[in-house]
Amino acid sequence: SQKIEQNSEALNIQEGKTATLTCNYTNYSPAYLQWYRQDPGRGPVFLLLIRENEKEKRKERLKVTFDTTLKQSLFHITASQPADSATYLCALVNAGNNRKLIWGLGTSLAVNP
Amino acid sequence: GAGVSQSPSNKVTEKGKDVELRCDPISGHTALYWYRQSLGQGLEFLIYFQGNSAPDKSGLPSDRFSAERTGGSVSTLTIQRTQQEDSAVYLCASSLGAAGYYQETQYFGPGTRLLVL
Repeated sequence: SQKIEQNSEALNIQEGKTATLTCNYTNYSPAYLQWYRQDPGRGPVFLLLIRENEKEKRKERLKVTFDTTLKQSLFHITASQPADSATYLCALVNAGNNRKLIWGLGTSLAVNP
Repeated sequence: GAGVSQSPSNKVTEKGKDVELRCDPISGHTALYWYRQSLGQGLEFLIYFQGNSAPDKSGLPSDRFSAERTGGSVSTLTIQRTQQEDSAVYLCASSLGAAGYYQETQYFGPGTRLLVL
């Protein structure tokens, strides 16, 4: 069956450390993968997109990697801050069905001061 | 320059009643999506509009759910004869819908929190 999985357990880290969130998928061939941030009571906000032929993408303190062999994307926040506390969602578009994003359940991140 | 707006922000209704949820996408965005998000669940795709093309209704959970998009802009999601399991946050998103849109990002509204008693 097709699955997209993120760590269900909340991640708690200390301010200044690097947070690493995981997104694994099964039986998909993603054309690209996106990461979004969602705060309580709000809709998701786009952060980064990485294509199937890209290994890594960076934006300020954020870094995304994409390993199609491992079928995994990692999302890193360096020098984390309490304001980074939120739920982070990964979403992919399967090749051949490029209109529909398939979403993970998200991982909750708490950055402690 | 406003973002995606949705109304109402909260809706409480009784089982069996009909409800209408509204979405105003970003001006110029031709693609519009409706999702449902329940507690502890991921985003569930409901319906997708792209320009003048026939909408992709493949995510609508039952025939009690319908959506319209008038004039290529505002969209209304209607739930008839609401059931308690319809309680969720209903999110609307829009995107440019331009050529090569498969790389597009989606811009979300704040959602409508629906509670069916």
